[in-house]
Amino acid sequence: EDQVTQSPEALRLQEGESSSLNCSYTVSGLRGLFWYRQDPGKGPEFLFTLYSAGEEKEKERLKATLTKKESFLHITAPKPEDSATYLCAVRASGGGADGLTFGKGTHLIIQP
Amino acid sequence: DARVTQTPRHKVTEMGQEVTMRCQPILGHNTVFWYRQTMMQGLELLAYFRNRAPLDDSGMPKDRFSAEMPDATLATLKIQPSEPRDSAVYFCASGSREYGYTFGSGTRLTVV
Repeated sequence: EDQVTQSPEALRLQEGESSSLNCSYTVSGLRGLFWYRQDPGKGPEFLFTLYSAGEEKEKERLKATLTKKESFLHITAPKPEDSATYLCAVRASGGGADGLTFGKGTHLIIQP
Repeated sequence: DARVTQTPRHKVTEMGQEVTMRCQPILGHNTVFWYRQTMMQGLELLAYFRNRAPLDDSGMPKDRFSAEMPDATLATLKIQPSEPRDSAVYFCASGSREYGYTFGSGTRLTVV
């Protein structure tokens, strides 16, 4: 069974204080690791997809990296508007499945 | 920006009543998902369609839930009869393997 574990569950940072969120996964054949951002009362918003170990992607203050067992979402000099829940998800091989298995998220708060 | 549209946004119903949630996926997206989100379980995949054909509904309680896609512009999720444990936010998402999936804003269901 595919599993995704995110840590920490919650993180409070000062504005400008860089940090990283972790997503560790167990999957039979990774066909993509996804990062989403979710604001209260809204649906998850797509950020990145990573496909192979060593791959990195960036968007503004966010950078996602991938190894064979985990992914990190690095947040550099965050601002209050980066406060959200960040979700990690995997898509596995087998049976042509397209569904994503999600972690429970990291609730990030950036204080001014 | 293209959006996934879900209706209704909120639904309060009594136990035993039928509930129907609707989703208009983004035009041209060939894959449509239904997810359920709760505090305890996070996001769980209920069912998904590709080119309107149901591919996987193993996440749904078969005796009370049903998902259909009568045409390319409409996906429905029906619960009959509803139970208090069905209270959750139900998300529809559409997209493609290559470009990730776009989520709607969800239907918040409360069964009393």
